[in-house]
Amino acid sequence: DARVTQTPRHKVTEMGQEVTMRCQPILGHNTVFWYRQTMMQGLELLAYFRNRAPLDDSGMPKDRFSAEMPDATLATLKIQPSEPRDSAVYFCASGLAQGQGIGFGEGSWLTVV
Amino acid sequence: SQQGEEDPQALSIQEGENATMNCSYKTSINNLQWYRQNSGRGLVHLILIRSNEREKHSGRLRVTLDTSKKSSSLLITASRAADTASYFCATAHSAPRTGFQKLVFGTGTRLLVSP
Repeated sequence: DARVTQTPRHKVTEMGQEVTMRCQPILGHNTVFWYRQTMMQGLELLAYFRNRAPLDDSGMPKDRFSAEMPDATLATLKIQPSEPRDSAVYFCASGLAQGQGIGFGEGSWLTVV
Repeated sequence: SQQGEEDPQALSIQEGENATMNCSYKTSINNLQWYRQNSGRGLVHLILIRSNEREKHSGRLRVTLDTSKKSSSLLITASRAADTASYFCATAHSAPRTGFQKLVFGTGTRLLVSP
């Protein structure tokens, strides 16, 4: 059963600390998305990649957030320094082609205190 | 800003009843998708309808799309307690610079199906 794998599942960290979230997309999928979900804002698209190249990261605060795909099996989302307002669930999703649905991971639940 | 707005925000029904959720969007789309999210879990893709389609079925799901009104509806027939979840519409748009599909999610409808 192919699925997107995210780590960590839960993270509590202090304000100012660096946070790195990792995602293993479904094998063979060439598009990777990062979303953030909060009660107030719902699901926000932060960034997405195709064939490891960033296509759009306009939804991501550039001063503290960065997203990369070092290789086809790993996508990372880094926050440095973290702030309490970054507390949210961060989802990674992957897809194979345009015009199809995407598969989501179970999310990384981040709490910044 | 989010593209899709869903209505109602919350819906409470009895098992066996039908549940209808609506989604409205603002700009042209390539396709529209519906996803389900159980509490504390990731989203699961349910069904996709292309911009040139008007209706699509999958099991107990029926999706309609009216591009002239920029709206879609998801109908779940003969609902079960296990259908309790949040349901999101997602609109697929071609990104201006790359032409690649960008998927933007709506605000979601929380469905509660009571036994």
